[in-house]
Amino acid sequence: ETGVTQSPTHLIKTRGQQVTLRCSSQSGHNTVSWYQQALGQGPQFIFQYYREEENGRGNFPPRFSGLQFPNYSSELNVNALELDDSALYLCASSPRQGLYEQFFGPGTRLTVL
Amino acid sequence: KQEVTQIPAALSVPEGENLVLNCSFTDSAIYNLQWFRQDPGKGLTSLLLIQSSQREQTSGRLNASLDKSSGRSTLYIAASQPGDSATYLCAVVNNNAGNMLTFGGGTRLMVKP
Repeated sequence: ETGVTQSPTHLIKTRGQQVTLRCSSQSGHNTVSWYQQALGQGPQFIFQYYREEENGRGNFPPRFSGLQFPNYSSELNVNALELDDSALYLCASSPRQGLYEQFFGPGTRLTVL
Repeated sequence: KQEVTQIPAALSVPEGENLVLNCSFTDSAIYNLQWFRQDPGKGLTSLLLIQSSQREQTSGRLNASLDKSSGRSTLYIAASQPGDSATYLCAVVNNNAGNMLTFGGGTRLMVKP
């Protein structure tokens, strides 16, 4: 069984640019959530996707957007990057919508200069 | 709004000690609570999941307890080893928040040989 994978591992961008991060959910999982973890802090919920639709959103501005594809993989897009967007971005999948254990990928480290 | 606090923020112990990590949450209407381990710059590994109807869960040298009414959970690590050195995060899912995890800030554990 393949776990949650994320790409790229590391990314460096400059302020104002746009970035796309990718996540492949664990086999058999149809729900994907994205979290942002600033250095030294706990992760913060960005949003969740279920069957290609956004299904819950945290306190993040609209320049954070996402997609989920028919194979349940997902993308996180961030426009107009700001310095404070520098963080570890974590993707988590769960077997179905609802209150199930979430399994996390290794994360993408984004640095905004 | 749910808030999760972990005390202490950092802990250093000699190898072989038994230790307790604390997690408190302000809203007791939770569905479950998860403890995670995070190695530096890496993703999250799920250690234990406690449903709101349960009082504790055990896995090997780890035991997690939950007192929902008082808004507290503890993670007990027996006979600590240098390989246990990592950041430990607790997170809760609220009854009215879909499958969104709310995390504490974590406890950084160092086990010295």
